[in-house]
Amino acid sequence: KAGVTQTPRYLIKTRGQQVTLSCSPISGHRSVSWYQQTPGQGLQFLFEYFSETQRNKGNFPGRFSGRQFSNSRSEMNVSTLELGDSALYLCASSDRLAGGSSTDTQYFGPGTRLTVL
Amino acid sequence: AQSVAQPEDQVNVAEGNPLTVKCTYSVSGNPYLFWYVQYPNRGLQFLLKYITGDNLVKGSYGFEAEFNKSQTSFHLKKPSALVSDSALYFCAVRDIGSGAGSYQLTFGKGTKLSVIP
Repeated sequence: KAGVTQTPRYLIKTRGQQVTLSCSPISGHRSVSWYQQTPGQGLQFLFEYFSETQRNKGNFPGRFSGRQFSNSRSEMNVSTLELGDSALYLCASSDRLAGGSSTDTQYFGPGTRLTVL
Repeated sequence: AQSVAQPEDQVNVAEGNPLTVKCTYSVSGNPYLFWYVQYPNRGLQFLLKYITGDNLVKGSYGFEAEFNKSQTSFHLKKPSALVSDSALYFCAVRDIGSGAGSYQLTFGKGTKLSVIP
């Protein structure tokens, strides 16, 4: 199976702009999670989507949002970009079941490197 | 709240020697524990996980990890290190006591492993 794909791989934006990142999960996976990775804060959970519904959200401001489509592809959006939003944004998919089995492994994509100038 | 500590920012080991990357965790319930590896400019690659059962878990590329409940540790090990093992290693935990809806992974800060030829 093809792995998790993320587009674009690199992005440069200026402060105040907004950005949309895309993630295509492994075929058959219905759960998509997003993480932000920075040198200072490490890996931090943003949110998780399952069957087009947000199931869990991390401690990020409302400028960070996401959605999931019926084909399980997911997008995340960051509005009014700040310098501190520069990071590697990682998407992970898993074959979580509707009952919410927590044993499922999350498989990560290569990430989108966002630079805010 | 769940947390993970990786006490060493960097571990240096000679090629052919055994390696250990340390991880301790804190959860309110029972933990699911994971190890991931990250190569430069890449996403996270799954190595192994502990869910239940045997305390010694075997994973990809000859890695294994030992779960110790009394010490709340989940150290990553490999009998003979390779130069190609040089990378950033992350330990992660999911607290299943938070319920099936809690799918969030909490990561440690990461340990940079350098294998010296």
